This record gives sequence, structure tokens and C-alpha cells, in this order.
Amino acid sequence: DTEVTQTPKHLVMGMTNKKSLKCEQHMGHRAMYWYKQKAKKPPELMFVYSYEKLSINESVPSRFSPECPNSSLLNLHLHALQPEDSALYLCASSQEPGPYEQYFGPGTRLTVT
Amino acid sequence: QQQVKQSPQSLIVQKGGISIINCAYENTAFDYFPWYQQFPGKGPALLIAIRPDVSEKKEGRFTISFNKSAKQFSLHIMDSQPGDSATYFCAASNQPGNTGKLIFGQGTTLQVKP
Repeated sequence: DTEVTQTPKHLVMGMTNKKSLKCEQHMGHRAMYWYKQKAKKPPELMFVYSYEKLSINESVPSRFSPECPNSSLLNLHLHALQPEDSALYLCASSQEPGPYEQYFGPGTRLTVT
Repeated sequence: QQQVKQSPQSLIVQKGGISIINCAYENTAFDYFPWYQQFPGKGPALLIAIRPDVSEKKEGRFTISFNKSAKQFSLHIMDSQPGDSATYFCAASNQPGNTGKLIFGQGTTLQVKP
């Protein structure tokens, strides 16, 4: 099973709200990723967690705060977002960090009003 | 150097035809090249992947051809079906560091006409 789950599926939030996105995998993968995807564009890497430690932050604004509570779970905390942050937020995981197959979740469609 | 250039941007193929999407890269340190298929509103799904030690890999109707000297790789979809209509992204792994970072091409929107 190569399933990565994400909740919620859709999220609408105001610019002053605080919300969180959740990602879960039960494949025993030790690397997890957050991507942002705008319409008709490829996914853009935001963060990489390797063995539950943040290994890459692609200069993402601090209004996005990732968290990896355990090896199966990845959260993305959102605060004071801007309308331009509206996008599809994708979580992915791979067996190990490195050049291995990455499996994506279905994404959370975020709209910031 | 970190770019992956993908072409064409869009492609229309008749049912039963062959769809061909091409990608080119500059960074010779790339050593993993996956293709993803994405339907509207869904996450990308890993379709097939290749490493530079082989020149071709086939899985069902999907084939990757890899030309290391030319720094190019391509996806061939044989007997294309309307259900193959989707956006396809090529990608390459970013070295050094074994971080798992994928560099994506800009995507190709494929439409297969019945």
C-alpha cells in the first residue's frame, strides 16, 4: 500500500486565522515532504523532514510552520496567510531521504480570503 | 543548472496513438528520473521512474527512454486512451546531499481524443 492521506480536503481561512494541515503515512517511510502547487504549475518543494528532523526549508515564509510529531505524521501550521498563499498543498513520503520514489497524498485545497 | 525543461506544453493525440513527452536537464549529478501523472484536483501519482544505468524501462503501456550523453529522457505512452488525459510531469533528483529534492519540469497537458 502506497497511501498518503491528507486532511482536510478543502480549507477556507481568513488572513487572521490559524489552521493546520495534517498528513499521515503508514508505510514506514522515513522522509516526508510538503509541496505547494499553484494551478497549471509543477509542485514546489517547501520542507523536507528526514527521520523526523527538518532537513530542508526552501526559504518558506514563517507564516508556514511545519511539525513532525512522529515518523508517520506531518503537520503544517498556518498563520496570518495571504491570498496569494491559496494553492493545493501536497504531502509526500519516501522510503528514505534521497533519490527514491516519492508518493504523494491527494492534497489540501487551501483558499485564503 | 537545476532546471528540467519539458516539452511540449500541451499534446493532443488520437485514441490508440503514441504520446511522447520529452525532458532535458543540465545537471549531470541527477541520478533519478521519475514521471508523475496528475488528474485535476488530485495529487501527482508516480507513474514510472528510471536511473541512468539503463537506457529504457517499460511498464505496461508506459516506457521511459533515457539518453545519458544527450541529457534527455522521454515518456512514451503506447495505445493512448482517453483515460490517459492528464497532466504529466517529469522530474529529476537533486544532488548532492541525498535530500530527496525533486526538480520538476513545467508539465505537459495530454488530451487523448476518442
